[in-house]
Amino acid sequence: DAKTTQPNSMESNEEEPVHLPCNHSTISGTDYIHWYRQLPSQGPEYVIHGLTSNVNNRMASLAIAEDRKSSTLILHRATLRDAAVYYCILCAPKRETSGSRLTFGEGTQLTVNP
Amino acid sequence: GAVVSQHPSWVICKSGTSVKIECRSLDFQATTMFWYRQFPKQSLMLMATSNEGSKATYEQGVEKDKFLINHASLTLSTLTVTSAHPEDSSFYICSATRRLYNSPLHFGNGTRLTVT
Repeated sequence: DAKTTQPNSMESNEEEPVHLPCNHSTISGTDYIHWYRQLPSQGPEYVIHGLTSNVNNRMASLAIAEDRKSSTLILHRATLRDAAVYYCILCAPKRETSGSRLTFGEGTQLTVNP
Repeated sequence: GAVVSQHPSWVICKSGTSVKIECRSLDFQATTMFWYRQFPKQSLMLMATSNEGSKATYEQGVEKDKFLINHASLTLSTLTVTSAHPEDSSFYICSATRRLYNSPLHFGNGTRLTVT
């Protein structure tokens, strides 16, 4: 599995935008970039994923560099409930409909200050 | 949206006993489910891939005779920790995905196992 690199921790203030970076210089052409987050004592939660183009959903935006060697998860207005560990994961989906293994790195611990 | 239910949410057992954890996909069929383990302050570690109707695939270093996985239906996978020891105390998390290409994983809320 190709490796991703994220900062160990980041801080933000409530209602301000947050940009969470992820480096994945060894990404292959078929790898999708997935983001999950994990709140304390809970299972991870899917946030967003993309391949080449920037993606938006109700939770966040994903900005992917043109060379795909890095990406940024953008939370437009951080709330206290966004405090979590954010994981950036590369995933090459299988052709069969059996799902893909995800290998979690250490992620970024986001602290949101009131 | 898709929901994965995991039960129990926490369990305390004595050394030497076995514990069964259930993982259900509530509104979709999952031919594949994944089991993870997470120790305090650490990331998730994939233990095994549970395949409906066939044997599970275990990651290197995970004892298949200790962590028994049964995926008897398209909506249920179980993980049984056999002859549990205090070092098996951990947070166990299952996940499942819809039978769609490149569908994201949906995770259960985890089971906190404490072995005394």
